[in-house]
Amino acid sequence: AQSVTQLGSHVSVSEGALVLLRCNYSSSVPPYLFWYVQYPNQGLQLLLKYTSAATLVKGINGFEAEFKKSETSFHLTKPSAHMSDAAEYFCAVSGTGDYKLSFGAGTTVTVRA
Amino acid sequence: GAVVSQHPSWVICKSGTSVKIECRSLDFQATTMFWYRQFPKQSLMLMATSNEGSKATYEQGVEKDKFLINHASLTLSTLTVTSAHPEDSSFYICSARLGTLNTEAFFGQGTRLTVV
Repeated sequence: AQSVTQLGSHVSVSEGALVLLRCNYSSSVPPYLFWYVQYPNQGLQLLLKYTSAATLVKGINGFEAEFKKSETSFHLTKPSAHMSDAAEYFCAVSGTGDYKLSFGAGTTVTVRA
Repeated sequence: GAVVSQHPSWVICKSGTSVKIECRSLDFQATTMFWYRQFPKQSLMLMATSNEGSKATYEQGVEKDKFLINHASLTLSTLTVTSAHPEDSSFYICSARLGTLNTEAFFGQGTRLTVV
């Protein structure tokens, strides 16, 4: 079974500051890891994914995440926050042969002007 | 990227009635679709896995007779909430996998169901 834990339900950053969202995973098999963003009353949009290739994954909108097996982590970062980054972010995991996604509890990001 | 369209975006229904939500993959064939439920300020909970041409696989605790899933074609899955009650009010989201080798799931825009 796979699961993820997102540390911090809410993150507030100033515009232009670093965004860091934490995600730790638990998996009995090599995991596939994902970060999704959700805007109010909308579905989820994929930011990036790790599928056992490069450990540093670059995604859309300037986001990137690093897979660290030793720490069982997949933290999401963006060097400079923009007001449009205010949203809900979900980390998710699936097994290599299992198409089911298990989501973390989500982290709400607010950006201060 | 691939597009998944969900309809309707929002619906209000009376207690005791049934509501059908459609999930379509517009530009690809999806042998497997997933249905999630999301309560306010909470994460997504997988309800069931919908397989084209076969019965859906429900997660533990999800009532099969309450949430009827049909996946009659490679581009359409439907979720019917039967005899809806106010506690069924929620945000329902579907997703579809692009083939068997690609691991990305594409999500619909969600359906806000309110039962009054």
